[in-house]
Amino acid sequence: SQQGEEDPQALSIQEGENATMNCSYKTSINNLQWYRQNSGRGLVHLILIRSNEREKHSGRLRVTLDTSKKSSSLLITASRAADTASYFCATDYGGATNKLIFGTGTLLAVQP
Amino acid sequence: DAGVIQSPRHEVTEMGQEVTLRCKPISGHDYLFWYRQTMMRGLELLIYFNNNVPIDDSGMPEDRFSAKMPNASFSTLKIQPSEPRDSAVYFCASSSSWSQQEEQETQYFGPGTRLLVL
Repeated sequence: SQQGEEDPQALSIQEGENATMNCSYKTSINNLQWYRQNSGRGLVHLILIRSNEREKHSGRLRVTLDTSKKSSSLLITASRAADTASYFCATDYGGATNKLIFGTGTLLAVQP
Repeated sequence: DAGVIQSPRHEVTEMGQEVTLRCKPISGHDYLFWYRQTMMRGLELLIYFNNNVPIDDSGMPEDRFSAKMPNASFSTLKIQPSEPRDSAVYFCASSSSWSQQEEQETQYFGPGTRLLVL
């Protein structure tokens, strides 16, 4: 399976702390994306990083990509209770499609 | 735009019955994806369309599953006959190859249909 693997599977932190989630994938990619899923809802796109980028920021989010290790990490700084959700990485292997392969997800719980 | 619209939001049916899930993608999007999400298997891509044409249906689990996209604003996923192991949340997502670059590769998800087959 090409599906990415994420770790940890679950993470519980206190409000104000930083949360780091990791994603590993198997073959060369065009880009890697992170999505958030609140309980009972659809997935929402957070950020995209291309294969030629190493780091990207968006608000309290920081994404890194290490193509030599085929891994990415998502850092959420100064977490809030509203950040409680599942987070998925998704890889785009390129080609003339918009097809993504989603990872297994990390369930983040931020305690107030 | 209202986003991706799915109906019904919840469906409870008995084994052997036909189930039809519906999706309206975001207007102007030319890609449509159907996913299934379960605790055991995570988020699986079932099939996707480009300009209403099925491109890859390798994720469709069995012949009991079929999907159509008769026009750019409507798609259905049908299960006939349904089985208890089909119980899952089914998501539809759309994307556009015409948007500005980062948006072009972003998928927009509907709220999902929660299916329970008894």
